[in-house]
Amino acid sequence: KAGVTQTPRYLIKTRGQQVTLSCSPISGHRSVSWYQQTPGQGLQFLFEYFSETQRNKGNFPGRFSGRQFSNSRSEMNVSTLELGDSALYLCASSLELHSSLFFGEGSRLTVL
Amino acid sequence: GENVEQHPSTLSVQEGDSAVIKCTYSDSASNYFPWYKQELGKRPQLIIDIRSNVGEKKDQRIAVTLNKTAKHFSLHITETQPEDSAVYFCAASAQGGSNSKLTFGKGTLLTVNP
Repeated sequence: KAGVTQTPRYLIKTRGQQVTLSCSPISGHRSVSWYQQTPGQGLQFLFEYFSETQRNKGNFPGRFSGRQFSNSRSEMNVSTLELGDSALYLCASSLELHSSLFFGEGSRLTVL
Repeated sequence: GENVEQHPSTLSVQEGDSAVIKCTYSDSASNYFPWYKQELGKRPQLIIDIRSNVGEKKDQRIAVTLNKTAKHFSLHITETQPEDSAVYFCAASAQGGSNSKLTFGKGTLLTVNP
């Protein structure tokens, strides 16, 4: 069974641009969560989706948004990029809303 | 919201020694405590988890203990090997509640010296 797949794996953007990251969960998993990982702050929760509905949201500004499609695939978008948005963005899927998380390899975003 | 504190931030041990990483949590409603291992450049991987109705769980060389009264839980690795070198993250969540997101500690960099 394929694991969680995230695309793109690496990307470089400049301040003010916007970015869209994609996540395909493990087949059969219906819940997708997104985390931002930085050296200083560790793993910070962004959002959690289940059945195309956002179930939880972390303490990030409105520039960060996401959605989940009917096939459970998810995307997150960051608009008006800032230097501080440079991070590894990790997607994790789980079978149901409250079960164990399985992470993808992440999308490493660099903002110049 | 939940706050998870993890100590130490770095830990260096000799191969064969034991390693202990400790975490405390703030939300008494938390009932699920997983541990993740992240090797350099790799994804975090679940290595063991414990629920609040259990005080201890073991899986070969790793074990996790939970003290609900004190709101802390610990990861124990025995007979450490160089391949145990990684960053370990603890996490907590109140599964079944309206806000069941996983809150992570800041991680512990474990180095096992041959």
